[in-house]
Amino acid sequence: AQTVTQSQPEMSVQEAETVTLSCTYDTSESDYYLFWYKQPPSRQMILVIRQEAYKQQNATENRFSVNFQKAAKSFSLKISDSQLGDAAMYFCAYRSEYNFNKFYFGSGTKLNVKP
Amino acid sequence: GAVVSQHPSWVICKSGTSVKIECRSLDFQATTMFWYRQFPKQSLMLMATSNEGSKATYEQGVEKDKFLINHASLTLSTLTVTSAHPEDSSFYICSARTSINNEQFFGPGTRLTVL
Repeated sequence: AQTVTQSQPEMSVQEAETVTLSCTYDTSESDYYLFWYKQPPSRQMILVIRQEAYKQQNATENRFSVNFQKAAKSFSLKISDSQLGDAAMYFCAYRSEYNFNKFYFGSGTKLNVKP
Repeated sequence: GAVVSQHPSWVICKSGTSVKIECRSLDFQATTMFWYRQFPKQSLMLMATSNEGSKATYEQGVEKDKFLINHASLTLSTLTVTSAHPEDSSFYICSARTSINNEQFFGPGTRLTVL
């Protein structure tokens, strides 16, 4: 079975600075999707960014970008110009290309943003 | 993105009673819906997958007689916690997948407290 590991339970960043959240995964599949979800105190899961494994180019969404290293099975999220509204739990997730029903979530990283 | 709603957002019930939680996809049809459970400060754990018009598929360790899932239409799935006990207290999140591009959207969650 696939596993997703987030080794940083909690991180802090100063407002306007940059922070990187780590995620590694284990799979024997060649085609899959990777996601970063944000869960603010409201508990609503919000998709931040997604990456298709077959794409070599790293995905970017405004201040959010990923560093996808397929061989290393690493998928880190970089948040630039951090804002107070970025404070939340961040979950890394894996979804198989062969079974869309299975989302594997990491344990999450709590991000604190200091003013 | 597409919107998934859940009702109620918060419910308190007495031990031994049953509670029904609704999950609706508001602006798209969802052939597949998912129910997750999230304990405090933990990740999302998939409980079951339901397809419209057929029986739900439960994950290992999830009691199907306790957590009844009905997916009667392409926009509605319900989770009924039967004979609830305090250990069933948790945050329940539903998710719906659109058949158009297989994107998966999450509801805002329902907090269940069993006294």
